[in-house]
Amino acid sequence: ETGVTQTPRHLVMGMTNKKSLKCEQHLGHNAMYWYKQSAKKPLELMFVYNFKEQTENNSVPSRFSPECPNSSHLFLHLHTLQPEDSALYLCASSQERARYTGELFFGEGSRLTVL
Amino acid sequence: ILNVEQSPQSLHVQEGDSTNFTCSFPSSNFYALHWYRWETAKSPEALFVMTLNGDEKKKGRISATLNTKEGYSYLYIKGSQPEDSATYLCAPSSGYALNFGKGTSLLVTP
Repeated sequence: ETGVTQTPRHLVMGMTNKKSLKCEQHLGHNAMYWYKQSAKKPLELMFVYNFKEQTENNSVPSRFSPECPNSSHLFLHLHTLQPEDSALYLCASSQERARYTGELFFGEGSRLTVL
Repeated sequence: ILNVEQSPQSLHVQEGDSTNFTCSFPSSNFYALHWYRWETAKSPEALFVMTLNGDEKKKGRISATLNTKEGYSYLYIKGSQPEDSATYLCAPSSGYALNFGKGTSLLVTP
């Protein structure tokens, strides 16, 4: 139990669907992240939020839309995805932005399959 | 985004063997180097965070060293156990977020 909870754990959606991934952290951290893990690729940073403000958007297509209503919750809204977007999406949080020594605490991920 | 290389890609050792992996990264714009362990069906878990050249950290049978001048870090596991089987990720920080390598996948068999 890392203190970071992601739901759903598995999601199958069609290319025309709209769905959302949810992440909640109970650690009192002020930074939250979305990472993507595709097959045979390293973990790719997608978005960073610090004190609810987006501070990084790593050239992510607009069909992925993040939302951070408060420091404890992070969403990833998905619409008109492509099959190549199928991947494991990991949420993480840290006490401070990871440029210093703030280690990341990860959720177990949401496995997304786009048909 | 930093270019991070980890080697070997995978490793299969017998219980009791000692082993080590390498992480290479650009030595410029360095802030910190993180090591994570990722067991199958679980979430990545932080092992070490190192910031200074010559840093050496230890947690039980696992230790890591850091050379920021030449841009590499070594992770050592002494007397590997089956529960050490996992993917080990290194991630240097470029100043805003971590840049992960592809990892070294370790399998320890009894």
